[in-house]
Amino acid sequence: DTGVSQNPRHKITKRGQNVTFRCDPISEHNRLYWYRQTLGQGPEFLTYFQNEAQLEKSRLLSDRFSAERPKGSFSTLEIQRTEQGDSAMYLCASSGEIEAFFGQGTRLTVV
Amino acid sequence: AQSVTQLDSQVPVFEEAPVELRCNYSSSVSVYLFWYVQYPNQGLQLLLKYLSGSTLVKGINGFEAEFNKSQTSFHLRKPSVHISDTAEYFCAVSRIQGAQKLVFGQGTRLTINP
Repeated sequence: DTGVSQNPRHKITKRGQNVTFRCDPISEHNRLYWYRQTLGQGPEFLTYFQNEAQLEKSRLLSDRFSAERPKGSFSTLEIQRTEQGDSAMYLCASSGEIEAFFGQGTRLTVV
Repeated sequence: AQSVTQLDSQVPVFEEAPVELRCNYSSSVSVYLFWYVQYPNQGLQLLLKYLSGSTLVKGINGFEAEFNKSQTSFHLRKPSVHISDTAEYFCAVSRIQGAQKLVFGQGTRLTINP
C-alpha cells in the first residue's frame, strides 16, 4: 500500500490553458474525493466518486471543471481555460469506510 | 449543512509547554469529528477521530481530543509539545450518512518556539 498518489506535484500554466491532474487512490478504496485549498484556508470539497459514479459536485465546481474516474480506479480532474483564481492546491483523498487518506496534492499556479 | 470554526488562527507556544487548539462545530445531524495535521507543501495526515463511544480520544504523536456534545466542541490537546509539532492543524466534520465529505475549519497554525 503506497498511499494516495497525485501527479504532478506542481503545475505552472498560462491563463487560458487547460490542465489535467491525476489521482491514484489506495487500491481497495471505493470512495474518492477532490478538494481545493487556497492559501491560509482549509480544504474545500469539490466532488465525490463512489467507484466510477460521480455522486456529488460542489457549486465550487464550475463548468470549466470536469472530473472522471473511469473503471473506478484512478481519477482525473481537468480545468479548462484556467483563470488566476484557479491557483490553489488540489487535494485528492480516498476512503474505504470512514477515514479519508490524502495525497500530497498538486499545486497549481496560473500566471 | 455543517460548519466548523477554529477559534485561533495562530498559536505560538514554547517547547515542552502544553497546548490546546480549539474547535467548535455546527450541524443539524450527527457527525464524525476529525483532526488533521498538514506540514508545509504536504497533504493532510489524520491525527485522531471521534466516531462514537468514549468522548476522550487519543491519536498519534501524543495528541488527544475531547468531544463535548453540549458545547459542540472538539478541542485538541497535547501536554508537552516538540519543535516537530510546528504545522497547520485542521478540525473537520463529516455526516455519518451519505458521501461523508469533510467540512474543514480554517486551520490553526501551531508554532513551537525553543
